[in-house]
Amino acid sequence: DGGITQSPKYLFRKEGQNVTLSCEQNLNHDAMYWYRQDPGQGLRLIYYSQIVNDFQKGDIAEGYSVSREKKESFPLTVTSAQKNPTAFYLCASSIVYGETQYFGPGTRLLVL
Amino acid sequence: AQKVTQAQTEISVVEKEDVTLDCVYETRDTTYYLFWYKQPPSGELVFLIRRNSFDEQNEISGRYSWNFQKSTSSFNFTITASQVVDSAVYFCALSDPMDSNYQLIWGAGTKLIIKP
Repeated sequence: DGGITQSPKYLFRKEGQNVTLSCEQNLNHDAMYWYRQDPGQGLRLIYYSQIVNDFQKGDIAEGYSVSREKKESFPLTVTSAQKNPTAFYLCASSIVYGETQYFGPGTRLLVL
Repeated sequence: AQKVTQAQTEISVVEKEDVTLDCVYETRDTTYYLFWYKQPPSGELVFLIRRNSFDEQNEISGRYSWNFQKSTSSFNFTITASQVVDSAVYFCALSDPMDSNYQLIWGAGTKLIIKP
C-alpha cells in the first residue's frame, strides 16, 4: 500500500536534547513538507523540499533542521534551540511541488 | 496578502441534519487553488477536494458538496444527512503561484460535532 508513514507516534524530549522525527513515503512523490500544529490552531509550514538534496525554509524554520538525501525520506530534527517544541508535527508529500499534498498520521512531541 | 477565513469555530448538529461549513478567501491572483481537508480525532489530515479558480462548477461526492463562488470569494462545504463519523475539524486552504509560491494558506479550521 502506498502512503506516508511517520514515526514515532509520540516522542518525548528532555531539555537541551535534539530529537529527530521520521517521515517516509513510497508514493514516488518529488515534494515533501513539514508542518507544525498547535492545539486548536491551523498548520504552519516549517520546511519543504521540492526535490532530493534541496529544501527551503517555511514560515517557522527557526530551531528546526531537515535533510533530503533520499526521495522517500525527509527527517525533521527539533533542536535545543526550539524553545517551545510541544506540538503535533505533520509530514506531507505531493507528486510535484504545488500539487495536492497528502499527509502522514503525525507525531506528537512532548517536552519532559 | 492572501488570507483564508473560517468564521465558524465550532458547529454542533444532530445526526442526519445538513450542515454547511463556510470558507472565505482573499487573493490578488487570478489563478489559485482551493482545498478542503478533514482532520478526525486521530489527527491525520485527509484530503477532500481541490478546485482551481477557473472551474466554478459545483462538485458533489456522495453526501459532500462544494459551492465555489468567485463573486463572493467563497468555497463552502456542505454535508448532507450528517453522520457521527463526520465529526472532525475541517480546514479550508488556498494556494496561488504568485503571492504564496504555491504554499498552502490555511484557515483556522471549523470543529464539527455530530451528535447521535
